[in-house]
Amino acid sequence: EADIYQTPRYLVIGTGKKITLECSQTMGHDKMYWYQQDPGMELHLIHYSYGVNSTEKGDLSSESTVSRIRTEHFPLTLESARPSHTSQYLCASTLSGTDYNEQFFGPGTRLTVL
Amino acid sequence: AQKITQTQPGMFVQEKEAVTLDCTYDTSDQSYGLFWYKQPSSGEMIFLIYQGSYDEQNATEGRYSLNFQKARKSANLVISASQLGDSAMYFCAMRSYGGISGGYNKLIFGAGTRLAVHP
Repeated sequence: EADIYQTPRYLVIGTGKKITLECSQTMGHDKMYWYQQDPGMELHLIHYSYGVNSTEKGDLSSESTVSRIRTEHFPLTLESARPSHTSQYLCASTLSGTDYNEQFFGPGTRLTVL
Repeated sequence: AQKITQTQPGMFVQEKEAVTLDCTYDTSDQSYGLFWYKQPSSGEMIFLIYQGSYDEQNATEGRYSLNFQKARKSANLVISASQLGDSAMYFCAMRSYGGISGGYNKLIFGAGTRLAVHP
């Protein structure tokens, strides 16, 4: 079972609020990812990190930002939430050099911006 | 460009029967990996099975098997003896390498297939 956690699981918030979605893993994985997924649709990579102090934007443009100050922690921040940000956000991690390079996923955060 | 195509938006299967979920991929890489994930209505992504591009045998994990046809660039998931708990979205994904320094593990996902298992 994967040890990767996301909080909150559900968030309903008003337009203009600043929010931070938390993601933590206890597996010592070096690489971490954020995906955005609309209901019933495919996942789109929005941010990734090779390790501490490394962050890159993914394939889908996003107004969110991320930070990686500690190996185990990869929070995502929206400075001013808008209804267009309503989606599910999935965090994932993997360890370099493993056979499968399998990505382990957290349970996701379902964000609704009113 | 790398791409995963899942042409079946939805599939129905009777309990205890087998079902095949289609996945085709496009890549110019010689080395790549193919994954299948299950996503129940609760939203989490559950890893099911992996096939490496150099693996000569089809991968199997319990009731899941991957029908890998490299020349056709297809990696279909076969679920045998379907159970009601198999009802979920299923995503095919491919690992690629890229980025400035190279070697980061990026997964490209298909649009998914929603499987419904009927009693």
